[in-house]
Amino acid sequence: QKEVEQNSGPLSVPEGAIASLNCTYSDRGSQSFFWYRQYSGKSPELIMSIYSNGDKEDGRFTAQLNKASQYVSLLIRDSQPSDSATYLCAVRSGATNKLIFGTGTLLAVQP
Amino acid sequence: DAGVIQSPRHEVTEMGQEVTLRCKPISGHDYLFWYRQTMMRGLELLIYFNNNVPIDDSGMPEDRFSAKMPNASFSTLKIQPSEPRDSAVYFCASSLAQGAGGYTFGSGTRLTVV
Repeated sequence: QKEVEQNSGPLSVPEGAIASLNCTYSDRGSQSFFWYRQYSGKSPELIMSIYSNGDKEDGRFTAQLNKASQYVSLLIRDSQPSDSATYLCAVRSGATNKLIFGTGTLLAVQP
Repeated sequence: DAGVIQSPRHEVTEMGQEVTLRCKPISGHDYLFWYRQTMMRGLELLIYFNNNVPIDDSGMPEDRFSAKMPNASFSTLKIQPSEPRDSAVYFCASSLAQGAGGYTFGSGTRLTVV
């Protein structure tokens, strides 16, 4: 089992819709969770962090964490073509304290 | 703030040659990380440093890989000898503290070994 798992996609949504990206992790001791956005040919860019159960909102982005289910999600409201990118889920392992990345979900927002 | 600076941006080399990748972290950041990204395996942590000291190199794939951080503003990742399977994008990232927040990534070095 991979430490951090994501559906590779592509996830295709129409412009203006809500995009829902999901991530599961295996280490129950994990305490910190992050979402990075990576445009093609570019480096990962941090867009959201979440540390406690529940929702955290920042503009059009909402991160959701459920530690009991070992599940993290990212919602993007009013999706725009400029949101088209690969979204990487990252989890700080409780055992090693290292930031472990999923392989990413490719999001395509159709105009 | 110039961010994390990596060089070169692209490197094409022949199998068997030595390759050196360079990184300058954000000033004041005391953690530095080297990651490798491929389509098949995603982002893999190779090694990280705290205050210039290597803390965990368990991700370094083979003895052909080595990394150094001689001072707070410079790190190198060396592959000797290089092999075609080393072709990937290598990212350097830095952070202010291990336990707080995410990392800031450099622009990466795209390595192609032919």
